[in-house]
Amino acid sequence: KAGVTQTPRYLIKTRGQQVTLSCSPISGHRSVSWYQQTPGQGLQFLFEYFSETQRNKGNFPGRFSGRQFSNSRSEMNVSTLELGDSALYLCASSRGTESTGELFFGEGSRLTVL
Amino acid sequence: AQSVTQLGSHVSVSEGALVLLRCNYSSSVPPYLFWYVQYPNQGLQLLLKYTSAATLVKGINGFEAEFKKSETSFHLTKPSAHMSDAAEYFCAVSSPLVYQLIWGAGTKLIIKP
Repeated sequence: KAGVTQTPRYLIKTRGQQVTLSCSPISGHRSVSWYQQTPGQGLQFLFEYFSETQRNKGNFPGRFSGRQFSNSRSEMNVSTLELGDSALYLCASSRGTESTGELFFGEGSRLTVL
Repeated sequence: AQSVTQLGSHVSVSEGALVLLRCNYSSSVPPYLFWYVQYPNQGLQLLLKYTSAATLVKGINGFEAEFKKSETSFHLTKPSAHMSDAAEYFCAVSSPLVYQLIWGAGTKLIIKP
């Protein structure tokens, strides 16, 4: 079956702009999590959506937001971009009903802020 | 609160040598423990997981990990390193009724020819 798809794979923005990233989970998965990965901070949890509701949230400013649609596809938005937002943004999907459930990751969206 | 510590941001081993990547956790409840691997320019994928069954867990690509409650450890091992094992490895912890993983900082495994 198809894996987790993230679009776009690469993008370049300038400070102050906003960006929207998209994630299509594996069919049947109701949970989508978003992570920010940088060389300095490692893997940082942004938020998790389950059945269109935000179930968990990391420690990021309000400029970072997300949503999930009824088909489980998810988007995340970053407004007023800062240089420090340059990172690989990873999306992961799972069934969301088991604490031991495997996360399936997409290949990420690499954002560069100039 | 749960936490994960991975000792060594970089580990270098020769091809054919033993791979040992260290992970220690902190949890007030019985933990679920995971190892994920990230190859260059890819997302993460599950290597193996411990969910309170057998303490020695075997995963993909010849990796295994042993849950040691007394040492609060879940170290990842492979008897013989291969060049294709070069990647970043992440240890993570969760617990029953928790749907969010707590991640370690990751360890980059470098394989020397």
